[in-house]
Amino acid sequence: GAGVSQSPSNKVTEKGKDVELRCDPISGHTALYWYRQSLGQGLEFLIYFQGNSAPDKSGLPSDRFSAERTGGSVSTLTIQRTQQEDSAVYLCASSLVGRRGEQFFGPGTRLTVL
Amino acid sequence: GQQVMQIPQYQHVQEGEDFTTYCNSSTTLSNIQWYKQRPGGHPVFLIQLVKSGEVKKQKRLTFQFGEAKKNSSLHITATQTTDVGTYFCAGHTFLNDYKLSFGAGTTVTVRA
Repeated sequence: GAGVSQSPSNKVTEKGKDVELRCDPISGHTALYWYRQSLGQGLEFLIYFQGNSAPDKSGLPSDRFSAERTGGSVSTLTIQRTQQEDSAVYLCASSLVGRRGEQFFGPGTRLTVL
Repeated sequence: GQQVMQIPQYQHVQEGEDFTTYCNSSTTLSNIQWYKQRPGGHPVFLIQLVKSGEVKKQKRLTFQFGEAKKNSSLHITATQTTDVGTYFCAGHTFLNDYKLSFGAGTTVTVRA
């Protein structure tokens, strides 16, 4: 009965470096979401995966951001050439059905770009 | 694009008092969900409302979905220290039933 897991929990990097964030959704959940939460702010939608369908990437803030989901399970969010404004908590969520479904969030990865 | 707004942004409550937080959408929603995020934690699903005018209760929490399905409210009675956290509303539209649009949240602090 494990929930959504994310790694690493904290990541400190230097400006210009690439980072990879990992998300393990709840087994059997077909929908997977990435969000960004800046300090004291709400949740900013980044990307949505549903089964084998093409992902909705409409929330990715720039072409430095990309994500993939392999085998319909684990997902990685990659940020290239990180900037200080990328500092935030990156949250992953999964949902059993996606459409109008309850979302289960992971603990997040806190990214700090120096 | 769709916008979901929450007021107030901050709510400071004396323990034992009641308060209400409000959520308003610029477009009609197919449903609305509420999440709670404790300090240092991640959002946790509380409830989903689907029907126009629907009211649901969870112990001291009462959730309401407006008749026009464009607004919602969360009322907490007899606030306790365990109610501390940020409450987010989030809605799906009829045109996009997989993407949740989140409000900025109401952050609740409690004075003992």
